[in-house]
Amino acid sequence: AQKITQTQPGMFVQEKEAVTLDCTYDTSDQSYGLFWYKQPSSGEMIFLIYQGSYDEQNATEGRYSLNFQKARKSANLVISASQLGDSAMYFCAMREGYNRKLIWGLGTSLAVNP
Amino acid sequence: DAGVIQSPRHEVTEMGQEVTLRCKPISGHNSLFWYRQTMMRGLELLIYFNNNVPIDDSGMPEDRFSAKMPNASFSTLKIQPSEPRDSAVYFCASSLVGASYEQYFGPGTRLTVT
Repeated sequence: AQKITQTQPGMFVQEKEAVTLDCTYDTSDQSYGLFWYKQPSSGEMIFLIYQGSYDEQNATEGRYSLNFQKARKSANLVISASQLGDSAMYFCAMREGYNRKLIWGLGTSLAVNP
Repeated sequence: DAGVIQSPRHEVTEMGQEVTLRCKPISGHNSLFWYRQTMMRGLELLIYFNNNVPIDDSGMPEDRFSAKMPNASFSTLKIQPSEPRDSAVYFCASSLVGASYEQYFGPGTRLTVT
C-alpha cells in the first residue's frame, strides 16, 4: 500500500487565488513528520514546510500553510494568493519515527494561470 | 551559507564508462542522501549516510552502483559500468538531526548515458 498518496496529478489555479494540494499518509507510528517540497521546471527541490505529528497547530510559512487533519491522516498544502512562480511540481513526504529516510509521494503538478 | 553542492551539473557519457558524481553537504549536517529521479520511477532513495556511515543502501539498484563518504564534507556516487537506463537526475541532500530532519537538496546532476 502507498504510504503517501497524492491523488491530483495536475492542478490549475488562477493567479491570486488560493489552492489546496492533497496529501494523505499511512503510518502506524505515533511520532512522524510531514513535509512539502516544491520542484520548479529548473529542477531543484525546495523545502517548503514541515508538520510534526505532535504539533498542535497547523504549520505556516509565509503563503504556505499545512492543513493537518490527524484523524483523517491528511496533510494538505494550502498556497494562498497564488503567483506565476508557484507553477511547479509539489511533493509530499513523510518521516516515520526518528528514521531519517523520507517516504515520497508521486507529486502534483500545479499550473498558475495569469 | 552555501547549500548542498553537486558536481558535475551535467554529464554525458557512453555506455560502459565509469561515472562519478560528487556532493558536498551543508556544513554541520550529519546525514547525507543520494536520490535518483526519473519520469518513470519518480524520486528514489538510493543510499543514505549518518555521520559518514552508510545506514541504508537498499535502494542501490545493483552492484554497478557504489557510494562513499570518506569525511563529513564529501561524498561520491559511482556507476561502473554505466548503462543507458542509468540516465536520470541524481540528487544529493543533507540534513541535521533535530526536531524535523528536513532535507536540503543540491541542484542535481543530469546524467545521460548513450
